Amino acid sequence: GQQLNQSPQSMFIQEGEDVSMNCTSSSIFNTWLWYKQDPGEGPVLLIALYKAGELTSNGRLTAQFGITRKDSFLNISASIPSDVGIYFCAGRETSGSRLTFGEGTQLTVNP
Amino acid sequence: GAGVSQSPSNKVTEKGKDVELRCDPISGHTALYWYRQRLGQGLEFLIYFQGNSAPDKSGLPSDRFSAERTGESVSTLTIQRTQQEDSAVYLCASSVRGGGLYNEQFFGPGTRLTVL
Repeated sequence: GQQLNQSPQSMFIQEGEDVSMNCTSSSIFNTWLWYKQDPGEGPVLLIALYKAGELTSNGRLTAQFGITRKDSFLNISASIPSDVGIYFCAGRETSGSRLTFGEGTQLTVNP
Repeated sequence: GAGVSQSPSNKVTEKGKDVELRCDPISGHTALYWYRQRLGQGLEFLIYFQGNSAPDKSGLPSDRFSAERTGESVSTLTIQRTQQEDSAVYLCASSVRGGGLYNEQFFGPGTRLTVL
């Protein structure tokens, strides 16, 4: 079945630093999504990507849909303490509705 | 409320008992999804409902798991004869419709199930 490899598993950074995380897939996706999950909450959508090569920003967040359609990255610039949480990538195949999720990246920001 | 709601927020049960988890999707959303999230892991797809179409049950891990949806509203996920391996957070999501672009899923807060 499909697999999404997300890395790194965890990151410990200082406030103000930039961070980058990425996902690779064994399958081609037509949609890449990035979610953030806080403790005790469901995932919240941060950025959605629909076109190969697309680069999209949302405030301090930037994400790209890889040209091969099998990878995506998320960058967070000038991190702040409220960026702490678990970030998940998710992909959707061309003809499907279900999402396949990565294992998550746990981000810790030290003030 | 405006978002997806789930109940209960926490459920502790004994091995072998049945449990029912409830999801109220966003009003007007025709598609509803259930996912399971084990501790420290990503979300695993369980089942998907779209309107009156037959549900996609391909993610259900065993025949102890089942789900129903009443029209385009409430859904219940039932786990029979619970096992300790069923302990996880069960998340529900809804979207305006199933599939297609620009049609993203909004998640509820989840139900944390603990099987003793």
